[in-house]
Amino acid sequence: ILNVEQSPQSLHVQEGDSTNFTCSFPSSNFYALHWYRWETAKSPEALFVMTLNGDEKKKGRISATLNTKEGYSYLYIKGSQPEDSATYLCAFDGNEKLTFGTGTRLTIIP
Amino acid sequence: DAGVIQSPRHEVTEMGQEVTLRCKPISGHDYLFWYRQTMMRGLELLIYFNNNVPIDDSGMPEDRFSAKMPNASFSTLKIQPSEPRDSAVYFCASSLRETQPQHFGDGTRLSIL
Repeated sequence: ILNVEQSPQSLHVQEGDSTNFTCSFPSSNFYALHWYRWETAKSPEALFVMTLNGDEKKKGRISATLNTKEGYSYLYIKGSQPEDSATYLCAFDGNEKLTFGTGTRLTIIP
Repeated sequence: DAGVIQSPRHEVTEMGQEVTLRCKPISGHDYLFWYRQTMMRGLELLIYFNNNVPIDDSGMPEDRFSAKMPNASFSTLKIQPSEPRDSAVYFCASSLRETQPQHFGDGTRLSIL
């Protein structure tokens, strides 16, 4: 069983503040690391797919970094807005199998 | 463009009945995935197909679960006989290639009484 862990499990952030959270994954047999945004009562929405060590990706106010050697990825949100409230999932892609973390549940306080 | 389409959106049935969940992937996507989401275990991969061929079904809980992909535009996940512990949200997703983002359907919320 692959160990994909996300921390913290939940997070409350004041609107306008920036925040970040972590996904840790096995450092062997790495193929790709996916980030998804999952709003309540909707389906997961793909944010990033990262494949190279040192990768940095950006989408609006959201960005992510990747360290495959030490097995972690950070997701950053700059200037949080209420619409950022969601669960953020990472998924480790290795050996042709995607294993999801349990997510970080982010709540933005207006 | 239409996304991944799942049906039904909701299913309530009595234990012992056969349940069939359906998925239409995005046209042109070579990969199709079935997931189950529960509070206890989060999002779990059940099985995935590449070009209609099952590649990895190690996530399928037991023999009561089966999945087919008769053609590139349709897949089913069947549970027979169903049990209350099968109650969950079942998602289907498709992707163009293995390392491309997966696009999820809206899910089927299954309740087995």
